[in-house]
Amino acid sequence: GAVVSQHPSRVICKSGTSVKIECRSLDFQATTMFWYRQFPKQSLMLMATSNEGSKATYEQGVEKDKFLINHASLTLSTLTVTSAHPEDSSFYICSARDGGLSYEQYFGPGTRLTVT
Amino acid sequence: GENVEQHPSTLSVQEGDSAVIKCTYSDSASNYFPWYKQELGKGPQLIIDIRSNVGEKKDQRIAVTLNKTAKHFSLHITETQPEDSAVYFCAASMGLTGTASKLTFGTGTRLQVTL
Repeated sequence: GAVVSQHPSRVICKSGTSVKIECRSLDFQATTMFWYRQFPKQSLMLMATSNEGSKATYEQGVEKDKFLINHASLTLSTLTVTSAHPEDSSFYICSARDGGLSYEQYFGPGTRLTVT
Repeated sequence: GENVEQHPSTLSVQEGDSAVIKCTYSDSASNYFPWYKQELGKGPQLIIDIRSNVGEKKDQRIAVTLNKTAKHFSLHITETQPEDSAVYFCAASMGLTGTASKLTFGTGTRLQVTL
């Protein structure tokens, strides 16, 4: 089946620094990728939708200058949390679609970000 | 935008019993309804999905039903096992391309299967 990986799985950074999270589709080409944030015991909240080669579409309330998304290839999207603060600590999850006639999204294993 | 409500928030059943989780959605344009299982510290895993042109779908112990008129869909797990214990999320989306394919998630149901 389709596999999506994320790297790193866990990251701790200091307040004010930036951190990059990678999302890769390992065995298919992802025309659309999504980034979610999940706080403890809560649901997944969509942050942005990105299509390969174009700018990401951010959900209302998500700062595009703080959460930089790049989808430069059909197998890789990156999320950079800039000037991270403790309130950015969360579980970040990406998903990918291979386009075509399939509705299915394949989710990555998530990245636990802790900002100290 | 789409709004998905999910009930109950927690569900405890004995091993072997059935579990039912219900979701309602607000936008009649939604046409794809997946269910995900999420274990602690992991990403969601698709367990079953249904398109709006189908009323019911079954895969072994898991089934999903959809009522388009009432805008609700349900997950049924029969013969529950301890390994079914996890958080389950329903979701809805409206299309195949770009932002139309984004998922709106329900609030989740924590299922505990006791021995």
